[in-house]
Amino acid sequence: SAVISQKPSRDICQRGTSLTIQCQVDSQVTMMFWYRQQPGQSLTLIATANQGSEATYESGFVIDKFPISRPNLTFSTLTVSNMSPEDSSIYLCSVVRTDVAKNIQYFGAGTRLSVL
Amino acid sequence: AQKITQTQPGMFVQEKEAVTLDCTYDTSDQSYGLFWYKQPSSGEMIFLIYQGSYDEQNATEGRYSLNFQKARKSANLVISASQLGDSAMYFCAMREGFIKTSYDKVIFGPGTSLSVIP
Repeated sequence: SAVISQKPSRDICQRGTSLTIQCQVDSQVTMMFWYRQQPGQSLTLIATANQGSEATYESGFVIDKFPISRPNLTFSTLTVSNMSPEDSSIYLCSVVRTDVAKNIQYFGAGTRLSVL
Repeated sequence: AQKITQTQPGMFVQEKEAVTLDCTYDTSDQSYGLFWYKQPSSGEMIFLIYQGSYDEQNATEGRYSLNFQKARKSANLVISASQLGDSAMYFCAMREGFIKTSYDKVIFGPGTSLSVIP
């Protein structure tokens, strides 16, 4: 398995502010993935972060709203900018680990964000 | 079009009984991987079991087994001897093209809420 640490685990923020979520992995990985889970919903991929290049965003997500940094092979940050109550969600960091030729996707514990 | 379908929004099972959670998927790829995850109320996503499209045998991990029917494009999760701690959301997920690369994204179904009754 993979050890993925996410900080903060939860936060309550005011609308119009920004929050940066950190994701630290216990060993080097090529890709890191950021997901959003809105209340009562399933997971939706926000973007894929490759070290040394700009993140690739999924349809409906833009860099200005969700800037991502990937400074090295074990760390990434996701910023939720200019927050509104609609951004209240769980944000999850994810990586792939190869285990006996199986590419398994593992997740951090998530950041539970509430925007007032 | 929805690629992962979980038709049971909520399920109840008696403690110590077995339960099957349904999942059907849609892909035109020959190579793909299927996952099941458990999400308790804490919010973390816990990996349970994996099935590759070329795996000939159904995957098993402890009390979890995956009933893989490729022709029907179904990948049902079977939990044997249910425990109170099994109460959670369960998500079926798929990665297409898994043999070519580990970089392809994983997409998730809508989830099934399982409640285990004492």
